[in-house]
Parts: sequence; structure tokens; C-alpha cells
Amino acid sequence: GDSVTQMEGPVTLSEEAFLTINCTYTATGYPSLFWYVQYPGEGLQLLLKATKADDKGSNKGFEATYRKETTSFHLEKGSVQVSDSAVYFCALNSGGSNYKLTFGKGTLLTVNP
Amino acid sequence: EAQVTQNPRYLITVTGKKLTVTCSQNMNHEYMSWYRQDPGLGLRQIYYSMNVEVTDKGDVPEGYKVSRKEKRNFPLILESPSPNQTSLYFCASSLYPDGGLRSYNEQFFGPGTRLTVL
Repeated sequence: GDSVTQMEGPVTLSEEAFLTINCTYTATGYPSLFWYVQYPGEGLQLLLKATKADDKGSNKGFEATYRKETTSFHLEKGSVQVSDSAVYFCALNSGGSNYKLTFGKGTLLTVNP
Repeated sequence: EAQVTQNPRYLITVTGKKLTVTCSQNMNHEYMSWYRQDPGLGLRQIYYSMNVEVTDKGDVPEGYKVSRKEKRNFPLILESPSPNQTSLYFCASSLYPDGGLRSYNEQFFGPGTRLTVL
């Protein structure tokens, strides 16, 4: 079945540091890929998405590129801010009959001033 | 404001006492779903609904029931809660994702309900 593996956290960075959170997946067919963000005490928000190979999703300075050859969708940001502190989830949707999102376990990011 | 609401946000209960967690969306979405979030496991789907009166099991449906009598509401029912159902629960909704191969409509999530079963 479908699965998502993302790097274990927690990740602690200083403000303006470069961020990479690795994500790899296993899925049948051609899944759509997503990064969701969960700020403290809140629900999940879609951060960015990519629906086919080589697509780049981007939002709020975050980017991720759909790499079919390496089955990866790594999240990057060039300069993190304290306000980026949150839990980040990589997810996929392979379009099965239940349109289920399959999530990774989440990576806690803490950015210190 | 377009949103998914859940009530209650926090609940502490005892084993065997029936409870209902409500979920409501104001976006006229056809698709709704329940997930539970547990440490180290990410989010797992409990039940989902494609439209009114159409519901089906997700990956972890044991111990839960749902109903979809109205388009906007999708309550989660625990008829006899047990401690292993202590978790953070999220409701989500989206437009019906039927636009073709690899089509997808964003799923909007509620703020979550933290349930503790003693």
C-alpha cells in the first residue's frame, strides 16, 4: 500500500538558516504530493502541492519538487523565520476510491531567534 | 469565513460512556473525512463520506461510527470509548475530487478535538 517516510525530528534551527525536510514515498500509479503544516494548537493547513513529476510546489518561501525517479518530495526554505516553527507533514493522494491522504509521521521544526 | 468546525475541542471521558464529536463545514463540500493523529504515527483515516448518506471505512474504523444525514455535518460517534481511542481527531472536507486522473481538491481541516478516555 501507499506510504510516506519523512525525516525524524525534531529539527532546531536558528533564524535565517536553510531548511530541508526529506520526504520519500511509495505509491501505486501517479500520486499527488503535498506538504501540510500544523501550527501549535491548530489544524492542518495545506502548504504546497505538486500533481505530476517535475512539478514544483511553492508557497510562503517554501518549495518542493516532485521527483518521480527518486520518489521524493523534499521541503526546502532558504531562510527560516521564528514564525515557521510548526509540525510539517508530507502526504500523498494516489486517487483511490476513498481519496485518502496518506501522511508521514510529521517533523517538528523549532526556529530560534 | 470558510471553515471546518469541530466540537468539543477538548474532552475527557471514561471508558464506555458514549460520545459524539461534531464536525460541520460551510463550504458546500461533498467529501468529508475523519482522521486520528497519534504520536509517531501521523494521521490515519477513520471514515470518509463521498456525499449525503454515503459513508465508508478508512484504515482504522474499529470502535467508531459516523453518519451523514446532511451535507454540512459529519459526526463521529464512539459508542463505547476505550483508552486506546485517546487521540487527537481531525475532520476534513473538500469538493468532490472527480476532475479526472490525478485531479485533487484541497482538503480543509478542522482545528482538532483532543479526546482522553480514562
